[in-house]
Amino acid sequence: QQQVRQSSQSLTVWEGETAILNCSYENSAFDYFPWYQQFPGEGPALLIAIRSVSDKKEDGRFTIFFNKREKNLSLHIKDSQPGDSATYFCAASGSSGSWQLIFGSGTQLTVMP
Amino acid sequence: GPKVLQIPSHQIIDMGQMVTLNCDPVSNHLYFYWYKQILGQQMEFLVNFYNGKVMEKSKLFKDQFSVERPDGSYFTLKIQPTALEDSAVYFCASSLGGARNTLYFGAGTRLSVL
Repeated sequence: QQQVRQSSQSLTVWEGETAILNCSYENSAFDYFPWYQQFPGEGPALLIAIRSVSDKKEDGRFTIFFNKREKNLSLHIKDSQPGDSATYFCAASGSSGSWQLIFGSGTQLTVMP
Repeated sequence: GPKVLQIPSHQIIDMGQMVTLNCDPVSNHLYFYWYKQILGQQMEFLVNFYNGKVMEKSKLFKDQFSVERPDGSYFTLKIQPTALEDSAVYFCASSLGGARNTLYFGAGTRLSVL
């Protein structure tokens, strides 16, 4: 049973479009949701994160929309660039008594020029 | 930004041998993690480590696995003996606080068990 789910394994958009990556989770105790970006041959790097007390977090072209009631969130990448082509992992932590950061299975984004 | 270094980048060993993966975490970080990734897919949590102790481990962290950070040096993952299914990329990470803080990942060690 996956605790953090990313429904799309891959997503392709054209340069300039908004890419929308979706994520859902099981555990209501999760309260911290980072998105990590991974390029081939590298480790994941934190892109943007949100805490469950907020419903939106914006950082430049990247925005997280968070719906606590529905237990889902999405990452919007505005004005997508070919350099944004990477794998994006949704993650969650905060479950009582747990020290884990649990990752989803990742969405591979391709931005076509 | 802060760097986590993993040595070596690629290790090839025969099944049944012992292997030690080394990680040089960010210098002032207190929490250390190992994750396993197969074929560029899901990052699977293995273990986290704080104050000289394993805090939490997953079912993937088999009895053949062990971690340590002797005298504040490298944070190591040892597998003894290795099995074919241990072939994967192993990522080390460190953070200043716990899992609600930014984890900084190394570039990974690709382990190939033949």
